[in-house]
Amino acid sequence: GNSVTQMEGPVTLSEEAFLTINCTYTATGYPSLFWYVQYPGEGLQLLLKATKADDKGSNKGFEATYRKETTSFHLEKGSVQVSDSAVYFCALSGNTGNQFYFGTGTSLTVIP
Amino acid sequence: NAGVTQTPKFQVLKTGQSMTLQCAQDMNHEYMSWYRQDPGMGLRLIHYSVGAGITDQGEVPNGYNVSRSTTEDFPLRLLSAAPSQTSVYFCASSYYVGASYEQYFGPGTRLTVT
Repeated sequence: GNSVTQMEGPVTLSEEAFLTINCTYTATGYPSLFWYVQYPGEGLQLLLKATKADDKGSNKGFEATYRKETTSFHLEKGSVQVSDSAVYFCALSGNTGNQFYFGTGTSLTVIP
Repeated sequence: NAGVTQTPKFQVLKTGQSMTLQCAQDMNHEYMSWYRQDPGMGLRLIHYSVGAGITDQGEVPNGYNVSRSTTEDFPLRLLSAAPSQTSVYFCASSYYVGASYEQYFGPGTRLTVT
């Protein structure tokens, strides 16, 4: 079956530090991979996606590369800001619009 | 576009009460879903719909009903609230863009059952 495993948090970083949040997946077929971000009190927002192997998704300084050989989609950012404090979810989708599978989320706090 | 809207934002129920969580989208998306979010468990799918008049169960459907009479609206009904249904509920709609489906979420309803 399909599933997503992401690193447990919480993660606390100083401003301008490098961020990595690990995500691995199990899937049948050829899923698309996503990172969503959830700010306090809000719903999830799509941050970036990749639809095939070796694709790199990027947005707002975040990036992640679809690695089929290691079944991974790690999120990275070179220099985090206080405004990046949020919960980040890794997800995969199947072939229909209702087949989304989410990880448990990783809470990130960035301190000045 | 307003996107995906949900009402109410907060709700407190007593055990045994029933209520309906409202969800609407103005993007003409065919797919809509309801999730619950609990600490340490991520998002779990309750029910989903692939179009008006068509619904199906997700991972945790017990205690919930849905209907989809129009493309825009997808209400979630709690039949007899239990403390185990204390959670944050998210409605989402999906459409196909850029070689994959993408899912768009509402702001959530925070439900407490006492």
